[in-house]
Amino acid sequence: GAGVSQSPSNKVTEKGKDVELRCDPISGHTALYWYRQSLGQGLEFLIYFQGNSAPDKSGLPSDRFSAERTGGSVSTLTIQRTQQEDSAVYLCASSLLENYGYTFGSGTRLTVV
Amino acid sequence: GENVEQHPSTLSVQEGDSAVIKCTYSDSASNYFPWYKQELGKRPQLIIDIRSNVGEKKDQRIAVTLNKTAKHFSLHITETQPEDSAVYFCAARRPGGTSYGKLTFGQGTILTVHP
Repeated sequence: GAGVSQSPSNKVTEKGKDVELRCDPISGHTALYWYRQSLGQGLEFLIYFQGNSAPDKSGLPSDRFSAERTGGSVSTLTIQRTQQEDSAVYLCASSLLENYGYTFGSGTRLTVV
Repeated sequence: GENVEQHPSTLSVQEGDSAVIKCTYSDSASNYFPWYKQELGKRPQLIIDIRSNVGEKKDQRIAVTLNKTAKHFSLHITETQPEDSAVYFCAARRPGGTSYGKLTFGQGTILTVHP
């Protein structure tokens, strides 16, 4: 596609429910990243995929968070048993190669009530 | 791991003035330093970047300088306009290892340009 596409754009969920966030990177981009941005805060790294290499999961805040990337393209970030502190904008980005800048998606605004 | 500090957290200038935002990084091996602009409710967008083999880079009204010895880099915006108002993020990336492509971001600077 022309840009990084994320869905849904907004998600309201009840505490304790599971959610899935989707990212469709730019076609041909080998690297895909997930970041979290809380209100008025910076960009917190979550996880990074590069080609067929094992993902860098070092930023995942707890074992309730997981992500996968199927076929080297679409990625899904799953949050199990959501908590109120999970409320944030979840941003996905992709880059052509590891040493290029990111193109961000518009993000998914997650609200846990 | 890498740590990036960004200052100031807020910056208010009059239209036409210059604005400077500074970042320091901790890992001397870092070699790529991009700057992103995020307008309210929108995605961060890359506005300029610099690699460690270059000391300065310009693109119209924006420029970035890098001091590898001191481990800091700065964004300079000249002749500011109201549409420059946004949150600006710096970032750094260190080479090598499984996290080669991962950027570490500063906390952001809210720039307000008053007409």
